[in-house]
Amino acid sequence: RKEVEQDPGPFNVPEGATVAFNCTYSNSASQSFFWYRQDCRKEPKLLMSVYSSGNEDGRFTAQLNRASQYISLLIRDSKLSDSATYLCVVGGNNRKLIWGLGTSLAVNP
Amino acid sequence: DGGITQSPKYLFRKEGQNVTLSCEQNLNHDAMYWYRQDPGQGLRLIYYSQIVNDFQKGDIAEGYSVSREKKESFPLTVTSAQKNPTAFYLCASSTGTGGSQPQHFGDGTRLSIL
Repeated sequence: RKEVEQDPGPFNVPEGATVAFNCTYSNSASQSFFWYRQDCRKEPKLLMSVYSSGNEDGRFTAQLNRASQYISLLIRDSKLSDSATYLCVVGGNNRKLIWGLGTSLAVNP
Repeated sequence: DGGITQSPKYLFRKEGQNVTLSCEQNLNHDAMYWYRQDPGQGLRLIYYSQIVNDFQKGDIAEGYSVSREKKESFPLTVTSAQKNPTAFYLCASSTGTGGSQPQHFGDGTRLSIL
């Protein structure tokens, strides 16, 4: 089993739609969780950290389910500019971050 | 503006040649990292450093070398021993140790073989 697994997609959604991505992780001792977005041929950029209680930043909501070992990202009212690859990242006590392969999102007019 | 600067943006390597990728940060971050990304693949850790004059191998260190003589700088040398160097190279930094803090990236260097 991969340490961090994501559905690669692509997810094709119309503008204004709500879309959700899940990510599962294998190490139950993982302590930190992040979502990044990466545009084509660009560097990853931090979208949001994921906290145990769940957190929201504008149209984006992230949640953590430790019992089932997954994190989720919900995007409401999708914009064309949300088209990107979304990377799930998990950190543990080994001082390294483990990167998922990403989920591709295409928002269509 | 604080940030991470990688140079050059594009680099071409001849067979048997060593090349060095530059990474400078002015974020006052202690930890710095080098990743490699191949098309359609995830980020793979090459080397990381948590403090000046100390660094550790990541998952794919063979054929690469680094130094950390200054807090701000973490250059990566791709040696001739790296037989498949064509990739997108990303430098990152974070406060404290890497497992709990998010990492922030430079805009990358694309390396190709001539």
